[in-house]
Amino acid sequence: DSGVTQTPKHLITATGQRVTLRCSPRSGDLSVYWYQQSLDQGLQFLIQYYNGEERAKGNILERFSAQQFPDLHSELNLSSLELGDSALYFCASSLLGTSETEQFFGPGTRLTVL
Amino acid sequence: GDSVTQMEGPVTLSEEAFLTINCTYTATGYPSLFWYVQYPGEGLQLLLKATKADDKGSNKGFEATYRKETTSFHLEKGSVQVSDSAVYFCALRPNDYKLSFGAGTTVTVRA
Repeated sequence: DSGVTQTPKHLITATGQRVTLRCSPRSGDLSVYWYQQSLDQGLQFLIQYYNGEERAKGNILERFSAQQFPDLHSELNLSSLELGDSALYFCASSLLGTSETEQFFGPGTRLTVL
Repeated sequence: GDSVTQMEGPVTLSEEAFLTINCTYTATGYPSLFWYVQYPGEGLQLLLKATKADDKGSNKGFEATYRKETTSFHLEKGSVQVSDSAVYFCALRPNDYKLSFGAGTTVTVRA
């Protein structure tokens, strides 16, 4: 158990809908990262937050947004969902937001868009 | 840009066989290199890492050496067990914060 929790574990929804994925980092970690794992794209970095502020952006679509709250949990919002958004979404956390600190991964949220 | 290319799977082995998963990378500067493992139904776990050239990362019988001259970070284990069945990801992290992952290699070890 990495100490990173993600809810829900599974999510099934329809095209055009909006969903929110939640992540609680390990106790004491200030930085949160979101990754998407899909069959065709592999594992891709989406976005990083550090202590409530956006730190780095990867291949995140404009339909997707995220935030990190004062209690350091993070939410990833996916809107106008398409079939291709079906994937496993991982959250990771690290103590700091620097390249020296290890990222610990949560178990993921599996999103299925029908 | 930075990228990782790893050996395509799936790889099927018998218990106690030798495992090698090749990984090469393209990056500017001096990235840190990682191997992550994903067991069925679980998230990724860091298996080992190396932060500079000629470093050897090791954990649970797995080893990988950071070879700058060949831009490689091949994963090896001398005697695999059924419990090593998983998906293995090679990754690099340059001077910024994000990890770039390879496509993953599925390893199945048969008793």
